[in-house]
Amino acid sequence: QSALTQPASVSGSPGQSITISCTGTSSDIGDYNYVAWYQQHPAKAPKLMIYDVSNRPSGVSNRFSGSKSGNTASLTISGLQAEDEADYYCTSYTSSSTLLFGGGTKLTVL
Amino acid sequence: EVQLLESGGGLVQPGESLRLSCTASGFTFTDYSMSWVRQAPGKGLEWVSGISGSGGDTYSADSVKGRFTISRDNSKNTLYLQMNSLRAEDTAVYYCAKDRSVVVVTATDNWGQGTLVTVSS
Repeated sequence: QSALTQPASVSGSPGQSITISCTGTSSDIGDYNYVAWYQQHPAKAPKLMIYDVSNRPSGVSNRFSGSKSGNTASLTISGLQAEDEADYYCTSYTSSSTLLFGGGTKLTVL
Repeated sequence: EVQLLESGGGLVQPGESLRLSCTASGFTFTDYSMSWVRQAPGKGLEWVSGISGSGGDTYSADSVKGRFTISRDNSKNTLYLQMNSLRAEDTAVYYCAKDRSVVVVTATDNWGQGTLVTVSS
């Protein structure tokens, strides 16, 4: 299976909002509400930010939100802060009972 | 506090085998599916294999199917990844991760710090 499609990079200024898209197919994102988003800082393990499309784990800022429409999921970060600069990855459960990652998006806070 | 501690990484030659272990603590191990996720140097994350809480169901990415086997010993709170016929492209940091679900793999909410596997002659 091919990886989910994410933009390679996005950027925004402090205080602004950005959205990262994640495009899959009807065999993954389009058919299941098991989309998750992870944040990874350099040399660190990934951190779960969003699960089941739009749910935040305890302790994750409400500046992070997720949504889905058809075969595309989105992560929105509002009130951008310097510490949000990181790599972001989406995942989806698939019809093969596997997990599929996106290629990752590098967020730069200008 | 959930803790996941991987071990077993190292340098091996192409075609050789290696077994990774992940010792879990801070949660009821049998209540959650577990996964192995890897990250090649400078590259993105790749899900490798997953296993249900009971160990009765396993799932693997096509890239490792037939070469890697995931298993768990619930009496020891330990997850394993047996890696055979290793290739250069298997070189990566391998993370052990706890899922939110008990049956399938949907979202991993806790991760270990990773163990490096290098396949090179």
